[in-house]
Amino acid sequence: AQSVTQLGSHVSVSEGALVLLRCNYSSSVPPYLFWYVQYPNQGLQLLLKYTSAATLVKGINGFEAEFKKSETSFHLTKPSAHMSDAAEYFCAVISNRDDKIIFGKGTRLHILP
Amino acid sequence: KAGVTQTPRYLIKTRGQQVTLSCSPISGHRSVSWYQQTPGQGLQFLFEYFSETQRNKGNFPGRFSGRQFSNSRSEMNVSTLELGDSALYLCASSLVGQGADIQYFGAGTRLSVL
Repeated sequence: AQSVTQLGSHVSVSEGALVLLRCNYSSSVPPYLFWYVQYPNQGLQLLLKYTSAATLVKGINGFEAEFKKSETSFHLTKPSAHMSDAAEYFCAVISNRDDKIIFGKGTRLHILP
Repeated sequence: KAGVTQTPRYLIKTRGQQVTLSCSPISGHRSVSWYQQTPGQGLQFLFEYFSETQRNKGNFPGRFSGRQFSNSRSEMNVSTLELGDSALYLCASSLVGQGADIQYFGAGTRLSVL
């Protein structure tokens, strides 16, 4: 069955530093991969989506993610963290088997002043 | 364009009761999906409705049910509530469904079962 693993339930970075949030999917290549962000007391908002058109996907708010088949990874990065980036981030895949969306456990990003 | 609206935002129930949550999708969206979010289990897919038909279902007991109306509004019902049903329930709408389409999420209904 398809699965998603997010390494690190909490990540802290200094303002202005590189943000790297890790996501690995199970070995079978999923048709779609996503990153979502959730701010406190809000629903999820799509940051970006991989659809096999390009391995480097640019999203909103300066985020991007690179699909690496050899590493079964889809890590999320942002060159320079901003205080407003503090939120919870979810990686998700669509299962090849039954088209259901599967979310990772989430990574809470803390931005240090 | 109005976003996805979920009502109520907060709900307190006791064990054994039943509850109905409502979701109004973005105008023109025909797919509505429901998710349960808890600290322990994270985000889990409940079911998806498209044009009044359940198209996909997660691994939840039969106490969890839903429906979709002709105007695409959807309701989710949980019967015989258990303490473990306390969660944030999120609804998402999209034009045609999960996968190819972008889902837009509501702010959720936070259910507390006492």
